[in-house]
Amino acid sequence: QKEVEQNSGPLSVPEGAIASLNCTYSDRGSQSFFWYRQYSGKSPELIMFIYSNGDKEDGRFTAQLNKASQYVSLLIRDSQPSDSATYLCAVMGSSGNTPLVFGKGTRLSVIA
Amino acid sequence: NAGVTQTPKFQVLKTGQSMTLQCAQDMNHNSMYWYRQDPGMGLRLIYYSASEGTTDKGEVPNGYNVSRLNKREFSLRLESAAPSQTSVYFCASSGQDYQPQHFGDGTRLSIL
Repeated sequence: QKEVEQNSGPLSVPEGAIASLNCTYSDRGSQSFFWYRQYSGKSPELIMFIYSNGDKEDGRFTAQLNKASQYVSLLIRDSQPSDSATYLCAVMGSSGNTPLVFGKGTRLSVIA
Repeated sequence: NAGVTQTPKFQVLKTGQSMTLQCAQDMNHNSMYWYRQDPGMGLRLIYYSASEGTTDKGEVPNGYNVSRLNKREFSLRLESAAPSQTSVYFCASSGQDYQPQHFGDGTRLSIL
């Protein structure tokens, strides 16, 4: 059974700090990795994706992937209260047309 | 720019009633998905359709049926609703291999 694990949180950080969200996955053949943000009562919204080992930056967000360790992370710099949400890690397997496997999410709270 | 459209947004049913949740996407995506989301359980895949004319079971298919009506539309049917099916249902779609899924706004379904 393919699994994606995330710490449920809540992760509390002060405004302006770096929030670090972590995710591990069980399928070593996984090829694509996604981070979604979900505000309370809303649908998941894609914020980052990464396919290759290393870092990928987009504005205040950086996704980091280490396939050898089966680990993917999301860093949010200069955290804002509007970043308070649940962050879902999702992983796609070795075949490109298979459903994503989602973690249960980490709840982030940014304290003003 | 509608993306993925789900109807209805809210519904209350009585136990034993039937209902069809509708989903349509205008992004010319091949793959479509139905998830349910319950507190503490994360997103769980009910059914998916990798292409027009095909459907496959996900993690929690019991009590549900689906129809891929055409490339745009993918419906989810509850034949005899049970209180355990009270949940938020999300439809999603994705394009070519390894691409992310895009979600609709969800249907909040309560079964009394």
